Formats: sequence, C-alpha cells, structure tokens
Amino acid sequence: GAVVSQHPSWVICKSGTSVKIECRSLDFQATTMFWYRQFPKQSLMLMATSNEGSKATYEQGVEKDKFLINHASLTLSTLTVTSAHPEDSSFYICSAMTGGWSNTGELFFGEGSRLTVL
Amino acid sequence: GQQVMQIPQYQHVQEGEDFTTYCNSSTTLSNIQWYKQRPGGHPVFLIQLVKSGEVKKQKRLTFQFGEAKKNSSLHITATQTTDVGTYFCAGQTSGGYQKVTFGIGTKLQVIP
Repeated sequence: GAVVSQHPSWVICKSGTSVKIECRSLDFQATTMFWYRQFPKQSLMLMATSNEGSKATYEQGVEKDKFLINHASLTLSTLTVTSAHPEDSSFYICSAMTGGWSNTGELFFGEGSRLTVL
Repeated sequence: GQQVMQIPQYQHVQEGEDFTTYCNSSTTLSNIQWYKQRPGGHPVFLIQLVKSGEVKKQKRLTFQFGEAKKNSSLHITATQTTDVGTYFCAGQTSGGYQKVTFGIGTKLQVIP
C-alpha cells in the first residue's frame, strides 16, 4: 500500500514555543490530507482537512491560528502548533487520500507524532 | 453534525472466542471503512464497504454494511493474540468534501 511518513515521531518542547510536524506521501500524490488528534484511549478526532494549494478546512472548535496547516505540494502537508501549551500535548496523526482515478477513498496514515509540552 | 457511534468500547475475550464490534452512524454513509490500531501504532486500513448489505471476509474477519448504509459490524472468529488492538470504524459521507468520521474504537484484549 501507499506510504505516508510523518516527522518527528516524538517532540518535547517548552511552553510558548512552536512545533512543526510534517506529513509526506512517499509514493503517491495526495490531493487531500487530514490531521487528527488522539488523546489516550480515545478515538481519532479530525482537526482539519488540507487540500493542496488551498486553505485548510478546520473542524468546529479547532483554532485556526493555533494549528497552522500548510499543504504546499501534493506530497507534503505541515501542521504547526503555535505557542504550544501543556494542554496541546497529544498524539497527532496525519492521513492522506490519493487523488483522481486512483482514489479509492482509503486513508493512509502516518506513524503519528507525540507532542509533549512542558 | 455526523456522528459515528461504536460499541463496545472495550472487550476482553479468551483466545479462541469470537468478537464483534458494531458501528452506527447518525446519517447515511457513502461508505464505511475499518481500521486496526495496534498499541503504540497508527491506524492501518483493513477494508472498505460501499454497497448496501455488503458482506466481505478477510480470513477470520467478516465485515458487514447495513441495508440502510448507516451501520456496520466487524466479526472476528476464533480470536488469536495477534488480533489485539483497537478497531475503528470510519464513516464517509458523499460529496466533494469526503470527510471521514471515526468511531471511538473498540479495544480488544485477547487472553491466552
């Protein structure tokens, strides 16, 4: 299957700093990427949908200015947690959907990034 | 908004017993997908169901999509310790947005 790489896997930062997480589709072009947040023992919560070349669509309750998403190319989307606080500590996962004729609706997930804000 | 409910949230079974998790959507779905997440890992795609009343099998796993395309189930026959993990259903509605809504997941523990 298609491979989605997410980096970094782990990140620890001080409160007030910004952290960037990258999501890359390695062997396919992803016109649509999704960013999720997963709290311990809970489900994946969709944060935003990222479409290449356009602004991300955020879910209700997700702060656009806090979670900046950039989908600059068909293989890369980034999530930047700005001015991180301890309550932002979580597991962030991206997923990508292939586009065009090859779109089966299947989501391919990155390995996830565990953010700890001290 | 669209909601996808999944039960049970936790299930412990003796190895060899069967296991079923159920998913119910508040709205009609265009398709439903199932994912498995091993402890510490990321969700991995298992299958997608598209047609009303569809039944698909993968070895010991049987997936069903309801006639109304609002509910689905995953049944595992004769569980093994390798089946341990959290199983998520994810419902997708039609339209260009292609939003996917996940159920809360069912955490399966298999006792050897």
